[in-house]
Amino acid sequence: GIQVEQSPPDLILQEGANSTLRCNFSDSVNNLQWFHQNPWGQLINLFYIPSGTKQNGRLSATTVATERYSLLYISSSQTTDSGVYFCAPLPGRRALTFGSGTRLQVQP
Amino acid sequence: GAVVSQHPSRVICKSGTSVKIECRSLDFQATTMFWYRQFPKQSLMLMATSNEGSKATYEQGVEKDKFLINHASLTLSTLTVTSAHPEDSSFYICSATRSAMNTEAFFGQGTRLTVV
Repeated sequence: GIQVEQSPPDLILQEGANSTLRCNFSDSVNNLQWFHQNPWGQLINLFYIPSGTKQNGRLSATTVATERYSLLYISSSQTTDSGVYFCAPLPGRRALTFGSGTRLQVQP
Repeated sequence: GAVVSQHPSRVICKSGTSVKIECRSLDFQATTMFWYRQFPKQSLMLMATSNEGSKATYEQGVEKDKFLINHASLTLSTLTVTSAHPEDSSFYICSATRSAMNTEAFFGQGTRLTVV
């Protein structure tokens, strides 16, 4: 099956800093989603992005499907951004495959 | 976005008993629902894919007789953990998609199961 690698595994930022999270995947995909898992376990949809670039407030994402990677940018980070960020590509089958996640801690 | 509701959010049960978890799509009809399992500090692992009106497709290594999945309608899928044991303690989370053309997945709040 598809292999999904996320980096870095852990990230500590000071409030206000910017960061880039990366997701590499091994096969062609029909789509890709980014999620933020909050401390209570809820998965929050951030982006549904098969290719190109999307922006939503302080967050933006870019997927280059031909090169099999996606990036999530967080600007002006806030403490509420803390949590785990998952990348989940959708290969030929209709089930998302999750990466191992990036655990982000934003310190005040 | 679409809303998926999962119930209960937390359950504690005795070893040997069964537990049912419900996953509902509240504002759309979900042709397909998925069940995932997550152990502490790990990623989400797909357990099974559930299509309305048909048998679920289980991932390799997932016991279909232990994890019973029923997708009785376009808005409801249930996961029953039968004869639960402490090693079944985990976070179970469902997701739903609208159609084969619209594959954006929306997740429920998750259920934290503790078997004592």
